[in-house]
Amino acid sequence: AQKITQTQPGMFVQEKEAVTLDCTYDTSDPSYGLFWYKQPSSGEMIFLIYQGSYDQQNATEGRYSLNFQKARKSANLVISASQLGDSAMYFCAMRDYLSGTSGTYKYIFGTGTRLKVLA
Amino acid sequence: ETGVTQTPRHLVMGMTNKKSLKCEQHLGHNAMYWYKQSAKKPLELMFVYSLEERVENNSVPSRFSPECPNSSHLFLHLHTLQPEDSALYLCASSQGGGRLLEAFFGQGTRLTVV
Repeated sequence: AQKITQTQPGMFVQEKEAVTLDCTYDTSDPSYGLFWYKQPSSGEMIFLIYQGSYDQQNATEGRYSLNFQKARKSANLVISASQLGDSAMYFCAMRDYLSGTSGTYKYIFGTGTRLKVLA
Repeated sequence: ETGVTQTPRHLVMGMTNKKSLKCEQHLGHNAMYWYKQSAKKPLELMFVYSLEERVENNSVPSRFSPECPNSSHLFLHLHTLQPEDSALYLCASSQGGGRLLEAFFGQGTRLTVV
């Protein structure tokens, strides 16, 4: 079964510095997708970045980049130039195909990392 | 209105009450989800609906009853809940097989059972 592991319950980073949030995953499927979400205190899950298992290059979206190491089954999120507004919970997730359905997936999440950006 | 909208945002209910959570998406997605988020635990997938048909039920107690009357609306009916059911309930939607691969989430309903 697919599984997502985030080993850092909490992280601190100084404003304007870069920070890496760790994520490892486990799957036997050759085709999969990995996601990172941000959850502010308001509760909404905000999509940040996506990496497909067959993508040749690491995904980037503005200040977010994904350090994808397929052989190690890791998909770490790198946030560059941290801002105070980056303080939130961050979740790594994997998409898992639901067999017997017409292209429906479920999303499996890790336990999250709480990031605090210090002024 | 765009995105995924959940109502109410906050709900306090007694163990003998019956209440319903509502989720609405205006994204044209064909799959909708209910997740439960408790403190210090991963998001737990409760139910998945695809084209208004329930396709996943993760051993959720019968005191939680989902309903998907159409592809834009999803409900979670609650009755005789327990204090351990207090959590943030998140609704999400996605378009299976579409160009956009991520799930879109609502802001959640924070439920307290007293």
